[in-house]
Amino acid sequence: NAGVTQTPKFQVLKTGQSMTLQCAQDMNHEYMSWYRQDPGMGLRLIHYSVGAGITDQGEVPNGYNVSRSTTEDFPLRLLSAAPSQTSVYFCASSNSVGTGMSAYGYTFGSGTRLTVV
Amino acid sequence: GQQVMQIPQYQHVQEGEDFTTYCNSSTTLSNIQWYKQRPGGHPVFLIQLVKSGEVKKQKRLTFQFGEAKKNSSLHITATQTTDVGTYFCAGPGAPRLKYIFGTGTRLKVLA
Repeated sequence: NAGVTQTPKFQVLKTGQSMTLQCAQDMNHEYMSWYRQDPGMGLRLIHYSVGAGITDQGEVPNGYNVSRSTTEDFPLRLLSAAPSQTSVYFCASSNSVGTGMSAYGYTFGSGTRLTVV
Repeated sequence: GQQVMQIPQYQHVQEGEDFTTYCNSSTTLSNIQWYKQRPGGHPVFLIQLVKSGEVKKQKRLTFQFGEAKKNSSLHITATQTTDVGTYFCAGPGAPRLKYIFGTGTRLKVLA
């Protein structure tokens, strides 16, 4: 199994450009989330999904959109990139996180390093 | 909103010394998870605690969930250079599927 696959690994954008970060998982997990990681800030939740067709906002959703048309894919779209969105973005999936039912936690992708100039 | 804080933010230890990181939530947690992130890598799940006062061990790592289920700790005995990385705790927010991560503790082990 590939687990959680994120593309691209690196990206440089100009201010105002839009782009989509791709995330795909092959574990049939219901729950998927996007986090951003900035130095000293830990991992902050952007958006999350509890199944196909269901998404909700996390702690820092402004400037980002998501959709979940299939169980496997959970793309993150930057609408109009700003320098404040320079960060490392992680996609993660789980079969039951938050419910205490799973002993396996989140599986993370390898991340996308985004720089906005 | 819910906050999950960890202390210390950074810790440098000599190889062989013990290390502890503490996690404190502003709200009661139904469960708490711990993750490790190696430098340049992604977070990797270590363990989940569910019961009040629960203690679990993984070799040199000891995890504890507080009686009030608002705090947790990770203790590493006799650190090794392979323990280098950032340790995160995480717990369910409101709604519970909104999983919130702590600020992390970065551990550096000096050989």
